[in-house]
Amino acid sequence: EPEVTQTPSHQVTQMGQEVILRCVPISNHLYFYWYRQILGQKVEFLVSFYNNEISEKSEIFDDQFSVERPDGSNFTLKIRSTKLEDSAMYFCASSEMGGRSNQPQHFGDGTRLSIL
Amino acid sequence: AQSVTQPDIHITVSEGASLELRCNYSYGATPYLFWYVQSPGQGLQLLLKYFSGDTLVQGIKGFEAEFKRSQSSFNLRKPSVHWSDAAEYFCAVGGGDDKIIFGKGTRLHILP
Repeated sequence: EPEVTQTPSHQVTQMGQEVILRCVPISNHLYFYWYRQILGQKVEFLVSFYNNEISEKSEIFDDQFSVERPDGSNFTLKIRSTKLEDSAMYFCASSEMGGRSNQPQHFGDGTRLSIL
Repeated sequence: AQSVTQPDIHITVSEGASLELRCNYSYGATPYLFWYVQSPGQGLQLLLKYFSGDTLVQGIKGFEAEFKRSQSSFNLRKPSVHWSDAAEYFCAVGGGDDKIIFGKGTRLHILP
């Protein structure tokens, strides 16, 4: 079964540094998402992306965050200047259609981001 | 606003026993409902989903869930749990837009 793949599985970064988390969504999917899960808390929506632009974002997704689909297969989340509170598990997801359809989101295994 | 409540943070059952994990949601229209499972160090795997139609939905690994509109619930059940079912289970709701709202999760422990 096709999977969403994320790299790296664990990223350790100094506070203030930029970090890029990478995702390869399922190949025929058109909608892409990032979520995060701070340790011990629930999974929270960050952003959705369709047709090369952000379709929805949460209040968490402020100016230090950006997303990009640099080529036909990758989907990236960039954090410009990391803060300690950015430490979390970041999940990428993809779906064939958007939330108003009946196509579920498929999640990757996540990237654990640790900010020192 | 959409929200999901999973009232049980931890549940412990014996292997072979039946399981029910509770989920209540708040949503203004007919929701899309999901259960995801997260094993330690792993990602979120979709167990089952409800969009419309039959209110009893079957999922993978022998799980099922029942949508009860009158109770705003979508409880997950399994008739006989296996040690490999030990994991964290997340109920989630979506529908009007792109995002999925997750509950805080229920961690399932299995006694041998």
